[in-house]
Amino acid sequence: GESVGLHLPTLSVQEGDNSIINCAYSNSASDYFIWYKQESGKGPQFIIDIRSNMDKRQGQRVTVLLNKTVKHLSLQIAATQPGDSAVYFCAENRRSGYSTLTFGKGTMLLVSP
Amino acid sequence: DGGITQSPKYLFRKEGQNVTLSCEQNLNHDAMYWYRQDPGQGLRLIYYSQIVNDFQKGDIAEGYSVSREKKESFPLTVTSAQKNPTAFYLCASSAGQGAAGANVLTFGAGSRLTVL
Repeated sequence: GESVGLHLPTLSVQEGDNSIINCAYSNSASDYFIWYKQESGKGPQFIIDIRSNMDKRQGQRVTVLLNKTVKHLSLQIAATQPGDSAVYFCAENRRSGYSTLTFGKGTMLLVSP
Repeated sequence: DGGITQSPKYLFRKEGQNVTLSCEQNLNHDAMYWYRQDPGQGLRLIYYSQIVNDFQKGDIAEGYSVSREKKESFPLTVTSAQKNPTAFYLCASSAGQGAAGANVLTFGAGSRLTVL
């Protein structure tokens, strides 16, 4: 696979546990915050987004929380599975309606069976 | 299958040579993007194009050039002026400006360029 995982923060969990991946952002003016998942050897895939006027959004097995007071974003994955093992990136969209996203450095999630 | 095709998957280049990475999409998306990915640094935007025959520089455009002559194609040329070209290059597309799902980029599988 690609070497994109080098020097990344890593979260190791057991299958079936809940995972929480955190991200700090810098721009208070961002309209949207987004999570992407990148499996080894592949391009990133969209998971879920949240608008800046919300503090929680749920998807299938995932929940994104936004705390604007401390500029913190988190992705919660319920009942983590080995297929969830990947690098997870948070991203900001500073221009609503455009797609010029600014990505964070990523967190590697390792799920043990 | 709709998607983005990047080629080649692996490419080796000697110093001083230009190289062009191909990106083709059949999603009928208006907007296309090139990102560079380095270990531990996330994705950085090189160039983007919201519409045919128009493109804008991203955060790290120096040493790169692009063209957008067709809606489905957005090739990236890594020129000899790029001081550190060894990286993983990702092409993406989206429905574009103002569209629902502007946060949703569809990425290709990437091209890994190594300068010898």
